[in-house]
Amino acid sequence: GAVVSQHPSWVICKSGTSVKIECRSLDFQATTMFWYRQFPKQSLMLMATSNEGSKATYEQGVEKDKFLINHASLTLSTLTVTSAHPEDSSFYICSASIPGQGPNTEAFFGQGTRLTVV
Amino acid sequence: AQTVTQSQPEMSVQEAETVTLSCTYDTSESDYYLFWYKQPPSRQMILVIRQEAYKQQNATENRFSVNFQKAAKSFSLKISDSQLGDAAMYFCAYRMNTGNQFYFGTGTSLTVIP
Repeated sequence: GAVVSQHPSWVICKSGTSVKIECRSLDFQATTMFWYRQFPKQSLMLMATSNEGSKATYEQGVEKDKFLINHASLTLSTLTVTSAHPEDSSFYICSASIPGQGPNTEAFFGQGTRLTVV
Repeated sequence: AQTVTQSQPEMSVQEAETVTLSCTYDTSESDYYLFWYKQPPSRQMILVIRQEAYKQQNATENRFSVNFQKAAKSFSLKISDSQLGDAAMYFCAYRMNTGNQFYFGTGTSLTVIP
């Protein structure tokens, strides 16, 4: 099946610094990618939709200036957590679907990134 | 707005037995798609099974099958002959006929007892 690769799988950063998470579609081009946040034993909360060549669409309550999304190419979307604080510590997951295959196509997920802000 | 509800936060099943995980959803659409995803301890999301709303026949994938009741907006997952490797979080998901967005339920944590 299609592969979505996310990097890094875990990162620890100091409070106040910025962290960049990459999401790549390895064997298909993704015009749209999704970024989720997941708290322990909870569901995936959609943060934003990353659109290649245009601005990301953020869900209500998600700070666009804090969670910067850049979809610079058809295979790469990045999420940058700026001025990270301990409350930003979480598990972040990206996903993408193969375009043009119809709405019954599944979403492929990255391995996730565990961010810990100390 | 589309909402997906999983009323069982935790479930357990004896190895080799059968377990059913519940999922209901709310939508005004008539054409949509439903999925069950598994998230093992590795946190990697894996597709278990999918169902097209326009199909009356319930989807099956080996030991996994669904009971899709469109009128009741219910989409339960049955796992037969449960194995230790089935232990995971299971998420029900909904996708409209248009757009790429998936809506996820709150998840059910499944424990398989040896």
